[in-house]
Amino acid sequence: EIVLTQSPATLSLSPGERATLSCGASQSVSSSYLAWYQQKPGLAPRLLIYDASNRATGIPDRFSGSGSGTDFTLTISRLEPEDFAVYYCQQYGNSPWTFGQGTKVEIK
Amino acid sequence: EVQLVESGGGLVQPGGSLRLSCAASGFTFSSYWMNWVRQAPGKGLEWVASIKQDASDKYYVDSVKGRFTISRDNAKNSLYLQMNSLRAEDTAVYYCARDPLSGGRRNYFDFWGQGTLVTVSS
Repeated sequence: EIVLTQSPATLSLSPGERATLSCGASQSVSSSYLAWYQQKPGLAPRLLIYDASNRATGIPDRFSGSGSGTDFTLTISRLEPEDFAVYYCQQYGNSPWTFGQGTKVEIK
Repeated sequence: EVQLVESGGGLVQPGGSLRLSCAASGFTFSSYWMNWVRQAPGKGLEWVASIKQDASDKYYVDSVKGRFTISRDNAKNSLYLQMNSLRAEDTAVYYCARDPLSGGRRNYFDFWGQGTLVTVSS
């Protein structure tokens, strides 16, 4: 099973700042099959990024993903008030599909 | 508009059973792999089970194998999760989630329901 470790656990930033979230895999994620989700309290997760760098339908271009192998990054170029949430990475290159433990982006 | 609506959650004693349902609308249900993903209170996400378009293939996370059964009824646009021998560690919000690829399989999740809470406690 591939274990995903997200860092930091919490990111305290102000609106307008840049957010950089990391997701490290215990072994290489085949074909960069990595997704990112956003979850707000009491709501279901929302798909942001798939295949490491492709934005899902309707996702603003301030969200971008990069990386390959064992190291992946989600970047939010300029934080909007609605971006404060928890973010999860998920690998789907090897079964079982696994998620990271999440990074909370909070208002500083 | 794609909609997934789960139901069937509730309080159940350890060792008990529960059947979750997910009603799908706004897309051709029979063309998509479907999944269950759960989230324990205050915790992260865990993929639980997946089922192929025609129900001919099913996959489970090890922790639920032999206890949970995923199924679907394409005529009713519905997904199910039969949960038996429930344990305290199965307590979670259970989400129904769609695979994004019509006629194929990608193994990530593009649409999610609102979730249904299952609490296993005496």
